[in-house]
Amino acid sequence: AQSVTQPDIHITVSEGASLELRCNYSYGATPYLFWYVQSPGQGLQLLLKYFSGDTLVQGIKGFEAEFKRSQSSFNLRKPSVHWSDAAEYFCAVGLSGTYKYIFGTGTRLKVLA
Amino acid sequence: DTGVSQDPRHKITKRGQNVTFRCDPISEHNRLYWYRQTLGQGPEFLTYFQNEAQLEKSRLLSDRFSAERPKGSFSTLEIQRTEQGDSAMYLCASSPTLAGGHNEQFFGPGTRLTVL
Repeated sequence: AQSVTQPDIHITVSEGASLELRCNYSYGATPYLFWYVQSPGQGLQLLLKYFSGDTLVQGIKGFEAEFKRSQSSFNLRKPSVHWSDAAEYFCAVGLSGTYKYIFGTGTRLKVLA
Repeated sequence: DTGVSQDPRHKITKRGQNVTFRCDPISEHNRLYWYRQTLGQGPEFLTYFQNEAQLEKSRLLSDRFSAERPKGSFSTLEIQRTEQGDSAMYLCASSPTLAGGHNEQFFGPGTRLTVL
């Protein structure tokens, strides 16, 4: 069955430090890949997406992600974290033949001042 | 603001009662989705509409759940005979129909349901 794994439930980083959030998927073909952020009381906001082409994609708020087919991974990175980045981050995949997304369980990011 | 809106934002009900939630998608989007999110989990797909046609339903959508999108615009999600296990955040999303398969889904703020 298709699945999305976010191995880190919680991550704490200091403001200004770099960040990498991990995402692995299980699917026979290359899926459509997304990263969303969810702040308390807010809806899910799309950070970036990968459909095809260049495997390094740039998103909003200074985030980027790299698709690695050999590792079935789509890790999210940011070179310097800001306190406002504290939120929950979800990786999602879209599969061929359906328009639904499958989400990971999320990674909650805490930023220390 | 022309984002996805959901009403109500919060609903507290007693076990056994029926509840109905409404979602208004972005006006030019003809795809509409419902997801459920429980504490500590990512959203789980419930159902999807293309215009007024309900094209896909998850096995999570038991016979107590029904969703409609009668005119291809807003949608309602009804839960009959609510159970405590139905307590969750119910998320609605919409997307346009563009070439290329999956398009970005735009999410609403959700309706938080608490069943006592």
